[in-house]
Amino acid sequence: QVQLQQWGAGLLKPSETLSLTCAVYSGSLSGYYWSWIRQPPGKGLEWIGQINHSGSTNYNPSLKSRVTISVDTSKNQFSLNLRSVTAADTALYYCARGEAILGPWGQGTLVTVSS
Amino acid sequence: DIQMTQSPSSLSASVGDRVTIACQASQDISKSLNWYQQKPGKGPKLLIYDAAKLETGVPSRFSGSGSGTDFTFTISSLQPEDIATYYCHQYYNLPRTFGQGTKLEIK
Repeated sequence: QVQLQQWGAGLLKPSETLSLTCAVYSGSLSGYYWSWIRQPPGKGLEWIGQINHSGSTNYNPSLKSRVTISVDTSKNQFSLNLRSVTAADTALYYCARGEAILGPWGQGTLVTVSS
Repeated sequence: DIQMTQSPSSLSASVGDRVTIACQASQDISKSLNWYQQKPGKGPKLLIYDAAKLETGVPSRFSGSGSGTDFTFTISSLQPEDIATYYCHQYYNLPRTFGQGTKLEIK
């Protein structure tokens, strides 16, 4: 059973860079896309972007100028970097397997942006 | 972007009730729609994919239907453990988009 475990800094100041990593256990990165999704407090889900094991990416145009998703096949991990964060980036961030059908999902990481 | 509109935004029902949630896409998405269940403090869980296919291990009281722009998610007999927020999700186009969610409560 594939499991995703994610981690990263939970408190950032405005203009800093958000960095999260998602490790894949009991499965390989190969053959799938891997996605990042976020959920602002009390709100719905927003798709951030996706990457495959070869490093091919797709990003949400609303975030594209600030987002980089990367993959490390040697560690069976993929990562999210979001630059120049503001309070509007405060959210629960999830990683997930898939590009069309999303599952399983990571446990989520709450990232708060505050001065 | 394809807009996904869910209704209702919240719903209160009794154990054993039949519950229906609607999701409308702003353009034809064929059957490129999934339904997820999110319980408090947890990540979403896939229930239905390709509009009507039941994910392995998901109870058969959950079902989905529809194609094009109009979709329906149904719980045939509501159970206490079904209390959650439910989201529809389109994968016809990039960027992927979600409905705003339907919060289901027990009456």
